[in-house]
Amino acid sequence: DAGVTQSPTHLIKTRGQQVTLRCSPKSGHDTVSWYQQALGQGPQFIFQYYEEEERQRGNFPDRFSGHQFPNYSSELNVNALLLGDSALYLCASSAVTGTSGTDEQFFGPGTRLTVL
Amino acid sequence: GDSVTQMEGPVTLSEEAFLTINCTYTATGYPSLFWYVQYPGEGLQLLLKATKADDKGSNKGFEATYRKETTSFHLEKGSVQVSDSAVYFCALLSGGYQKVTFGTGTKLQVIP
Repeated sequence: DAGVTQSPTHLIKTRGQQVTLRCSPKSGHDTVSWYQQALGQGPQFIFQYYEEEERQRGNFPDRFSGHQFPNYSSELNVNALLLGDSALYLCASSAVTGTSGTDEQFFGPGTRLTVL
Repeated sequence: GDSVTQMEGPVTLSEEAFLTINCTYTATGYPSLFWYVQYPGEGLQLLLKATKADDKGSNKGFEATYRKETTSFHLEKGSVQVSDSAVYFCALLSGGYQKVTFGTGTKLQVIP
């Protein structure tokens, strides 16, 4: 089992550009969540995807958007990059359990985005 | 809304010392509680979890007990090692299709 994988590992962009980050969930998982972790801070929830739809969203602007594919993999897109978007972006996968929600989340190694 | 408060670091201990990292939470309903560990340059790894009141999670010598009456989930280890040096995050997952809410993290440095 490969676990959660993310690509690329590192990325450098300039202000105003757009970026796409990718995530493949752990085998058997159908739910993908994205988090932003600024330096020295805890991860902050961006949004969660299930059945190819955004199910819940944190307090992030519309510049942050995502997509989930039929194979459950996911992309995070950020438009009009700002210096403050520099962070480690973490993807986590989980599985819906029964009708009550999701089980624990398994995290990938993250993508380090630097905006210059 | 949900929130997690954990003691600020950094925490510096000598090898074989006793470790406690305090964590308290605010949440609606009955959340599941977690401790994650992040080693330098890496993502998050689940260290332990507890899903209901009075449950004790344990792993690699670390323990934490879900205390509903004090809304706490303190992390403890009897004898730390240099290899335990990392950042530790307390977190909660509320019932339903909810996000994980993290504390700000506590950096632990263990010196020989």
